[in-house]
Amino acid sequence: SQQGEEDPQALSIQEGENATMNCSYKTSINNLQWYRQNSGRGLVHLILIRSNEREKHSGRLRVTLDTSKKSSSLLITASRAADTASYFCAVGYGNKLVFGAGTILRVKS
Amino acid sequence: SQTIHQWPATLVQPVGSPLSLECTVEGTSNPNLYWYRQAAGRGLQLLFYSVGIGQISSEVPQNLSASRPQDRQFILSSKKLLLSDSGFYLCAWTKGASGPLEQYFGPGTRLTVT
Repeated sequence: SQQGEEDPQALSIQEGENATMNCSYKTSINNLQWYRQNSGRGLVHLILIRSNEREKHSGRLRVTLDTSKKSSSLLITASRAADTASYFCAVGYGNKLVFGAGTILRVKS
Repeated sequence: SQTIHQWPATLVQPVGSPLSLECTVEGTSNPNLYWYRQAAGRGLQLLFYSVGIGQISSEVPQNLSASRPQDRQFILSSKKLLLSDSGFYLCAWTKGASGPLEQYFGPGTRLTVT
């Protein structure tokens, strides 16, 4: 399978702590993207990192990409209760994205 | 700005009944369109995608079909639903350009087949 695989499957932290989620994939990619899904809702795009980029920031989000290890990480700093959601990585091939199973993040206030 | 609509929001259908889910996009032209299914607590499975009117690529052979009768309309159908068709169906669009760009998702349709 070409899909990204997230680790951990679930993460529970206190408000204010940082949350780190990892994604691994198997073949060469055009880009890697991270999405958030609140319960019962559609996905929201967070950040896209191209295969020739190593790190990207957006607000409290930091994404890294290591193409030699075929892995990416998403760091959410100073987490808030509103960050509670499922987070998915998606690897881009051609016109398609292949999604992983996601990490469920719970931020306790 | 661009908007994506899906309806209905929820649907309960008996086994063997037909299905039609509709997705429309506003505020853009010639988008790439996608149908995904998400089982409870799982990731997204790509079902179909389309890069233009009448152009449909099927990713998983199953009990479903898709059509794109207009540039910004994408329809998911079934002639006879199975219990295994239950799930959360999501439509998404992306700019019609080369390469896998960021996708924008609709609110989804929760389908329960009984």
